[in-house]
Amino acid sequence: QKEVEQNSGPLSVPEGAIASLNCTYSDRGSQSFFWYRQYSGKSPELIMSIYSNGDKEDGRFTAQLNKASQYVSLLIRDSQPSDSATYLCAEGDSWGKLQFGAGTQVVVTP
Amino acid sequence: DTAVSQTPKYLVTQMGNDKSIKCEQNLGHDTMYWYKQDSKKFLKIMFSYNNKELIINETVPNRFSPKSPDKAHLNLHINSLELGDSAVYFCASSLGTDNQPQHFGDGTRLSIL
Repeated sequence: QKEVEQNSGPLSVPEGAIASLNCTYSDRGSQSFFWYRQYSGKSPELIMSIYSNGDKEDGRFTAQLNKASQYVSLLIRDSQPSDSATYLCAEGDSWGKLQFGAGTQVVVTP
Repeated sequence: DTAVSQTPKYLVTQMGNDKSIKCEQNLGHDTMYWYKQDSKKFLKIMFSYNNKELIINETVPNRFSPKSPDKAHLNLHINSLELGDSAVYFCASSLGTDNQPQHFGDGTRLSIL
């Protein structure tokens, strides 16, 4: 059974600082990893996908993947109050099955 | 233009009833999914269809029956609703199955009285 682990938080981050979220996964063979943002009462929204070791940047977001250590992280630079949400890490497979972590709640304080 | 749309948005019903949730995507994707998010916010896959063919069928009570009339539509029928079925049900779609990102609908909040 695949497992994806995340700290549930809340992770409190001052406005303008960097939020760092971590995720570990159990399946060494996993090839795809995704970060979703979910505001309270809303649906998950895809913010990053990453498939290769290393960093991938998109605006204020950077995803980092280390397959040897089986972790994937998300950095949010210049955090804004609008970044306050739950961030879900997911690993995918060739069948399309996404295994989600429980999510990390991020609270950006002005 | 909503990419993945679900109806209804809210569903409040009595235990023992039968209900359906509908999902449609206009992204031209081949693969559609049903997920359940429980009160602890854990999101878990239930079913997946690729081009109208069932490809993922997780351990879900057989009271839940998905149906895909075409690749743009995926419905979920639930028989004999139980209290534990109360959750938010999300539909999602992706271009294909192979490690593709998935795009979620707004969800259907099901409450069983």
